Amino acid sequence: DADVTQTPRNRITKTGKRIMLECSQTKGHDRMYWYRQDPGLGLRLIYYSFDVKDINKGEISDGYSVSRQAQAKFSLSLESAIPNQTALYFCATSGTTRAGELFFGEGSRLTVL
Amino acid sequence: AQSVTQLDSHVSVSEGTPVLLRCNYSSSYSPSLFWYVQHPNKGLQLLLKYTSAATLVKGINGFEAEFKKSETSFHLTKPSAHMSDAAEYFCVVSGGSARQLTFGSGTQLTVLP
Repeated sequence: DADVTQTPRNRITKTGKRIMLECSQTKGHDRMYWYRQDPGLGLRLIYYSFDVKDINKGEISDGYSVSRQAQAKFSLSLESAIPNQTALYFCATSGTTRAGELFFGEGSRLTVL
Repeated sequence: AQSVTQLDSHVSVSEGTPVLLRCNYSSSYSPSLFWYVQHPNKGLQLLLKYTSAATLVKGINGFEAEFKKSETSFHLTKPSAHMSDAAEYFCVVSGGSARQLTFGSGTQLTVLP
């Protein structure tokens, strides 16, 4: 089983719908992240959490929210999806002592029509 | 402030020939630098990292990279390409914590038979 699991892997939705992407991990890491990948832009940080009570905005948080339900679970929500949120979303984890060493899930491809 | 530039969006090589993927960076701090690889429909995986120890860094699958401060470069090389190396590669600079990671825009490596 994968160390970082994302669900759903693919989702097609309509403009205005609420969508939630879920992430769970078995790495035992405290730090979890949500990134967005767009062609030619690399990865951009949406939100990150360094422990259950710590939530921080990243570079592109507008239009997104997150919830850290437990050490192992970190979900990303789009309250009212819009077409320019069509992208590949990645959850990642890291330990506290090795900044930059991220472990990624396999991604959730979201299409907003 | 920090930034990273991957100088080639696409690189094609023949199997068995050398691979060179170029990365330049800028950082106000002594940076940590990373290369990640993304195979099709997969999450990113850490290839190697530089964290101010040896300037020549060896990674997985025969890849290595050399940190050149005078040139602000961290190019990724491999002596002999294999078909399984076909993937997208990301150069990443860290200013000291995971929230300060900056991803390059990626280089797509194609390996021709």
